[in-house]
Amino acid sequence: ETGVTQSPTHLIKTRGQQVTLRCSSQSGHNTVSWYQQALGQGPQFIFQYYREEENGRGNFPPRFSGLQFPNYSSELNVNALELDDSALYLCASSHGILGMRSTDTQYFGPGTRLTVL
Amino acid sequence: SQELEQSPQSLIVQEGKNLTINCTSSKTLYGLYWYKQKYGEGLIFLMMLQKGGEEKSHEKITAKLDEKKQQSSLHITASQPSHAGIYLCGADIPLNYGGSQGNLIFGKGTKLSVKP
Repeated sequence: ETGVTQSPTHLIKTRGQQVTLRCSSQSGHNTVSWYQQALGQGPQFIFQYYREEENGRGNFPPRFSGLQFPNYSSELNVNALELDDSALYLCASSHGILGMRSTDTQYFGPGTRLTVL
Repeated sequence: SQELEQSPQSLIVQEGKNLTINCTSSKTLYGLYWYKQKYGEGLIFLMMLQKGGEEKSHEKITAKLDEKKQQSSLHITASQPSHAGIYLCGADIPLNYGGSQGNLIFGKGTKLSVKP
């Protein structure tokens, strides 16, 4: 059984650029949640995807968007990067049930450290 | 809005000592999760508590959820350098019509250092 993986590990971008982060979910999981963790803070929920559909969103602007693929892997896209977007981006996978938000334990990947200059 | 308060913010203990970390919610929880994070890395799942009064243990770590499901504690017995890291509590918030939001709200974490 493989765990949650994320790529890349680190990324440096400049303001105004766009970035794509990738996540492969744990075997058997159909739900992926993305979180942003600023330095010294707890993770903040961005959005969740269940079977390729967005299934809940936190308080993040539309320039944060996502995708989930048939194999349940996922991408987080951020447009028009701002300095405050510098953070550790975490994805978590879990098992969801049709019609309900996933309440199963979420297992996290190692994260992608994004630095915006 | 729902918030989780963790205390203390940081803790330095001598190897072999016991310690307790607390997590308090302003609202009743659907579920409470404890994770450990090494600096700048992903979260490692420790335990999940869902029932009022529930207690779970794994190796030297014990977590409890109070009867009202608003407060949890994480207790480490005979701490070791391998216990060092940031401990995060995460809460699953109930919806009015049943079920939960499905996303976790986290505290700011407790940074634990263990001196050999």
